[in-house]
Amino acid sequence: AQSVTQPDIHITVSEGASLELRCNYSYGATPYLFWYVQSPGQGLQLLLKYFSGDTLVQGIKGFEAEFKRSQSSFNLRKPSVHWSDAAEYFCAGNSGGSNYKLTFGKGTLLTVNP
Amino acid sequence: GAVVSQHPSRVICKSGTSVKIECRSLDFQATTMFWYRQFPKKSLMLMATSNEGSKATYEQGVEKDKFLINHASLTLSTLTVTSAHPEDSSFYICSAPWTSGSKEQFFGPGTRLTVL
Repeated sequence: AQSVTQPDIHITVSEGASLELRCNYSYGATPYLFWYVQSPGQGLQLLLKYFSGDTLVQGIKGFEAEFKRSQSSFNLRKPSVHWSDAAEYFCAGNSGGSNYKLTFGKGTLLTVNP
Repeated sequence: GAVVSQHPSRVICKSGTSVKIECRSLDFQATTMFWYRQFPKKSLMLMATSNEGSKATYEQGVEKDKFLINHASLTLSTLTVTSAHPEDSSFYICSAPWTSGSKEQFFGPGTRLTVL
């Protein structure tokens, strides 16, 4: 079955430290992959997406993610975290073709300490 | 980027009443929209796919008579929670693909429903 897994429920980092949020996927073929961020009581904002091509994708707010087929991963990274990055982060996948449905991971809550 | 709006942002109702939530694509047309439900500290659960001009497609386990979906135009989909009960209290979010062939979805800001 198609799935997206985020192994870490909650991560705490200090402001200025680097960040990596993990995402693993299980699809028959290379999926379309996305990272979204959600602030409390808000909708989802797209950070970045991977469809094909360059496996290192750049997003907004200084985030990047790397697609690694060998590891079935699409981890999100940021070199220096800001306090405003504290939020819930969701990885999502789509199987492609005429299917528009997104499968979401369970999310990772990021806390940033001053 | 594309903008999707939802109205209302927050609603409180009494048990047994019906509540309508609107989802609008503001600067693009959406033949398909999606409705999600999100429980506290949980991920998004796809409830149904709203199709303009035809019936919605519901995910397994979602009661179609409970959650009525109407996609009346290319920019508006509505979700009506009928005879709401406290267990229907949740955060409801809609989304729409940027274009008919796009895999990228834009999400509304969500609607917080509280049923007393």
